[in-house]
Amino acid sequence: DVKVTQSSRYLVKRTGEKVFLECVQDMDHENMFWYRQDPGLGLRLIYFSYDVKMKEKGDIPEGYSVSREKKERFSLILESASTNQTSMYLCASSGPGQGRETQYFGPGTRLLVL
Amino acid sequence: DQQVKQNSPSLSVQEGRISILNCDYTNSMFDYFLWYKKYPAEGPTFLISISSIKDKNEDGRFTVFLNKSAKHLSLHIVPSQPGDSAVYFCAASVDGGSYIPTFGRGTSLIVHP
Repeated sequence: DVKVTQSSRYLVKRTGEKVFLECVQDMDHENMFWYRQDPGLGLRLIYFSYDVKMKEKGDIPEGYSVSREKKERFSLILESASTNQTSMYLCASSGPGQGRETQYFGPGTRLLVL
Repeated sequence: DQQVKQNSPSLSVQEGRISILNCDYTNSMFDYFLWYKKYPAEGPTFLISISSIKDKNEDGRFTVFLNKSAKHLSLHIVPSQPGDSAVYFCAASVDGGSYIPTFGRGTSLIVHP
């Protein structure tokens, strides 16, 4: 069974703080993704990575950065947290195939920025 | 510009009846479709998929129907159970293309006992 774990289930941070969200997958997947989920807006892609040290912007990258130093680990960084970044953050991974690959999601991190 | 649309934000169904969740897409290049299910405070989990070479795929109580000419797919759950209460996301991708699926905004299904 694929397992995707996220470092925290719940986080409370203050405006302006630097926030690190970590994601680890154990299936040797090439592709990793960060999404945020907000009511009525569904899943919105922030960043993704198809290989170590590679990263690509998704639909809403502003205010975020990512790091992928190891294949199994993909980190999302909020350089200076703002209240509009309060959300549920979901990490996912998928295998090397194109198009048909199922994404496996972590349990999510609910971030509250005060 | 949403390429995958789930026009019903919510759906309420009685236990034992059929639940029908709908999804429309605009990109004719999409040829692989997936449904994910998400409980509160958990990540989405894969439910069922269908390739464009088929018009139906069944897995237990879950059946997905694809109407390519209408660019429409639907997920049928029969019979519905209270444990099916969740948010359902439709997703579409291009086989052999980008490995990034395009998601709809989700439909919240509530199954009443």
